[in-house]
Amino acid sequence: QVQLQESGPGLVKPSQTLSLTCTVSGGSISSGGYYWSWIRQHPGKGLEWIGYIYYSGSTYYNPSLKSRVTISVDTSKNQFSLKLSSVTAADTAVYYCARYTVTTFDYWGQGTLVTVSS
Amino acid sequence: QSALTQPASVSGSPGQSITISCTGTSSDVGGYNYVSWYQQHPGKAPKLMIYDVSNRPSGVSNRFSGSKSGNTASLTISGLQAEDEADYYCSSYTSSSNYVFGTGTKVTVL
Repeated sequence: QVQLQESGPGLVKPSQTLSLTCTVSGGSISSGGYYWSWIRQHPGKGLEWIGYIYYSGSTYYNPSLKSRVTISVDTSKNQFSLKLSSVTAADTAVYYCARYTVTTFDYWGQGTLVTVSS
Repeated sequence: QSALTQPASVSGSPGQSITISCTGTSSDVGGYNYVSWYQQHPGKAPKLMIYDVSNRPSGVSNRFSGSKSGNTASLTISGLQAEDEADYYCSSYTSSSNYVFGTGTKVTVL
C-alpha cells in the first residue's frame, strides 16, 4: 500500500518561499509508471492542481502558478518537493501530495496546512 | 484554465439516488476519457471514487457510478447513505498535459 506524507513549515512569511516535502513509502518513485503531484485547497474552497513530476525530472505545472513553482524529486530518499516563491496570503492553503497515474490521483497524503502571515 | 462547473449542493433522502454533474469543454471533459471523482469528508484528504469516467477502484462501493456525455460528466450515488454526506469533486486531464478540478458539490443526506 502506497503512503504519502507531507512535511514542512506550517507558517511562512509573505514574499518568502514555501517549501514542502512529500515522503513516499510502500513504493519506489524511481520504478516509473507514475507522476508525483502537488495539489492545494484554500480554506473552505475547492482543489487546485499545482503540478507534477516524473522520476526522470520531467515536470508539468499549472499555468497560473508556473512562474512561481518548482517541483523536484530525490529518488535516493524516495521524496519529492514543492517550492512556491513570493508567497502572499492567497497561498494559504492545505497542501496535498498525491500519486498521479496519468489519468487520476489514486493515493493522497493527509495534507498539511500552510499559513502565510507575518 | 477554468475550473469544471459543478452544482454547489445536491441533497437526497436515505435510499434515494442522486446525480452530480460536471461540465467542462472539449479541451478537458469532452476531449478525454480521463474524468475522475473524489469524495472528501471534512478535515480529510480526498478519496478516489471513480476514474477514467466510469471505473471504480477496488474497495469503492458499487453504489457509485460514473458516466459522460459530450462535455458533461456525471456521478450517480444510488441507495444514498448517511456516510455519503461529503464534498465531491470531479477532475479531468486537459490539453497540454494539464489537469483541472471541478468547483465541488456538497452532498447532504436529509
